Amino acid sequence: DTGVSQNPRHKITKRGQNVTFRCDPISEHNRLYWYRQTLGQGPEFLTYFQNEAQLEKSRLLSDRFSAERPKGSFSTLEIQRTEQGDSAMYLCASSIGPMVGTFGSGTRLTVV
Amino acid sequence: AQSVTQLGSHVSVSEGALVLLRCNYSSSVPPYLFWYVQYPNQGLQLLLKYTTGATLVKGINGFEAEFKKSETSFHLTKPSAHMSDAAEYFCAVSGPLPQGGSEKLVFGKGMKLTVNP
Repeated sequence: DTGVSQNPRHKITKRGQNVTFRCDPISEHNRLYWYRQTLGQGPEFLTYFQNEAQLEKSRLLSDRFSAERPKGSFSTLEIQRTEQGDSAMYLCASSIGPMVGTFGSGTRLTVV
Repeated sequence: AQSVTQLGSHVSVSEGALVLLRCNYSSSVPPYLFWYVQYPNQGLQLLLKYTTGATLVKGINGFEAEFKKSETSFHLTKPSAHMSDAAEYFCAVSGPLPQGGSEKLVFGKGMKLTVNP
């Protein structure tokens, strides 16, 4: 059990570019969650999956954001046409059932 | 909708002193409540959680919290602060399950704890 792994740890991108983050949950965890944390704030829920099904999406998740978990294992979060307001820490978490258990170290996105 | 209030953004205590971090919640249904700790440039680590049953919950690293429905509170305490406790602490609410509550966590803004030698 190596914990929840997120890659990359840091990403700097120019405004307007697309970025993709990856999350590898703890093996056999069927639930996977994405959160966004801006400076000085608590994490905000974006979306979650049970196996490969995306069960809930926040209104924060605009049409520029898309998340997938194609085989019920790893997940990707893509942001298209990035904006400076997208700069944040993107956190992934996984659990074996309901209730969030284990968070990854996050991907810090900086849009310049 | 559920929400969490953590009043203030920073608490400073001396090593060995009592740690008290306040959390009040708003929920139209019985909530599930959590405390997480975050060290710099790291993800969140679960300290403790309350779902049902005993209202005094013990967690890791000597922390505990008490669910008080009448006060809509879930304050976090530790009798004696250690230098290694310096971090940011987040209170969160979710659920309840299986009454159809959401699995998502709603976090407070966090409280930065400084421990002075």
